[in-house]
Amino acid sequence: AQSVTQPDIHITVSEGASLELRCNYSYGATPYLFWYVQSPGQGLQLLLKYFSGDTLVQGIKGFEAEFKRSQSSFNLRKPSVHWSDAAEYFCAVEVNDYKLSFGAGTTVTVRA
Amino acid sequence: NAGVTQTPKFQVLKTGQSMTLQCAQDMNHEYMSWYRQDPGMGLRLIHYSVGAGITDQGEVPNGYNVSRSTTEDFPLRLLSAAPSQTSVYFCASSFRTRTDTQYFGPGTRLTVL
Repeated sequence: AQSVTQPDIHITVSEGASLELRCNYSYGATPYLFWYVQSPGQGLQLLLKYFSGDTLVQGIKGFEAEFKRSQSSFNLRKPSVHWSDAAEYFCAVEVNDYKLSFGAGTTVTVRA
Repeated sequence: NAGVTQTPKFQVLKTGQSMTLQCAQDMNHEYMSWYRQDPGMGLRLIHYSVGAGITDQGEVPNGYNVSRSTTEDFPLRLLSAAPSQTSVYFCASSFRTRTDTQYFGPGTRLTVL
């Protein structure tokens, strides 16, 4: 079955430092991959998505992600985090016809 | 354009009670879905709809019913609430293509005592 694994439950990063969140997927065909962010008490907002083409995808809020088929990974990165980036981040894969399977999420804490 | 709206924001029920969580969107999206979010488990799909009059089950449908009489509304019904249904519920919608973005509502936090 198609699935998504986010190995890191919680990451703490200093403001201004770089951030990388890991996502591994299990999927037989070419996956449609997504990263969402959830700020405390809010719904989910799409950061970026990958369907095909260039394996480095740019998103909103300065985030980017790289699709690596050989590693079955779709890691999210940001060169310099801001305190407002503290949130929970979810990786998701479309399993079929619009249905998304989500990872368990990674909580990011930003320290001053 | 309000996007995806959900009511109520918070709800406390007693075991065995029934209730309906409301979801509405004003973007003329064909696809709508309900997820529940539990700590350490991400979001899991409960039910979804690809258009008015068409619904189908997701990953965790037991104990929930849905209907889709209009394009705009997609209510989720809890038939007989159980403590295991304590969760945060999110509604989402999108246009009916695989590459379109799913827009999420703000969520309903439900506690079943």
